[in-house]
Amino acid sequence: QKEVEQNSGPLSVPEGAIASLNCTYSDRGSQSFFWYRQYSGKSPELIMSIYSNGDKEDGRFTAQLNKASQYVSLLIRDSQPSDSATYLCAVVFGNEKLTFGTGTRLTIIP
Amino acid sequence: DTGVSQDPRHKITKRGQNVTFRCDPISEHNRLYWYRQTLGQGPEFLTYFQNEAQLEKSRLLSDRFSAERPKGSFSTLEIQRTEQGDSAMYLCASSLGDREAFFGQGTRLTVV
Repeated sequence: QKEVEQNSGPLSVPEGAIASLNCTYSDRGSQSFFWYRQYSGKSPELIMSIYSNGDKEDGRFTAQLNKASQYVSLLIRDSQPSDSATYLCAVVFGNEKLTFGTGTRLTIIP
Repeated sequence: DTGVSQDPRHKITKRGQNVTFRCDPISEHNRLYWYRQTLGQGPEFLTYFQNEAQLEKSRLLSDRFSAERPKGSFSTLEIQRTEQGDSAMYLCASSLGDREAFFGQGTRLTVV
């Protein structure tokens, strides 16, 4: 069974600080990795994709991928109250289906 | 093209009735996924298509659930003889191969 694992949290971070979210996955052959943000009652919204080892930055968001260690992380700099949401890690194993973790609930404290 | 579209947004049905949901993916996307999500949980995989071919269906899914994508464009998800445990948000997403997948707004099903 190919799995994606996340710490369910909740994770509380002061406003303006860096929030760090982590995800591990079970298959070394995976090629595609994504982070989604989901507000309560809404559908997931794609915020980052990453396909190769290293860092990818987009505004306040940085995704980090380490295929050897089978983890992918998301850093949110200068956290804002609007960043409070559940963050979902998702992986495409090989060329198979998109599989999600259970999500990490993030709360930014003003 | 405004993205993935799902219909209806909300559905209330009596236990034992059949329901059908529709998903219109982004036009150039060849993959279409269906997920189910309940409060506090991540999206649970139901099934997915590549063009018109259904490539995988969750082993956890009972025979009451069926999905089609007849011409490789829109898809329908039918639940027969609904049960209270079927109450959830049903999410559709589409992608071009293993690239970024985008979600519709979901269909919230309530079985009473």
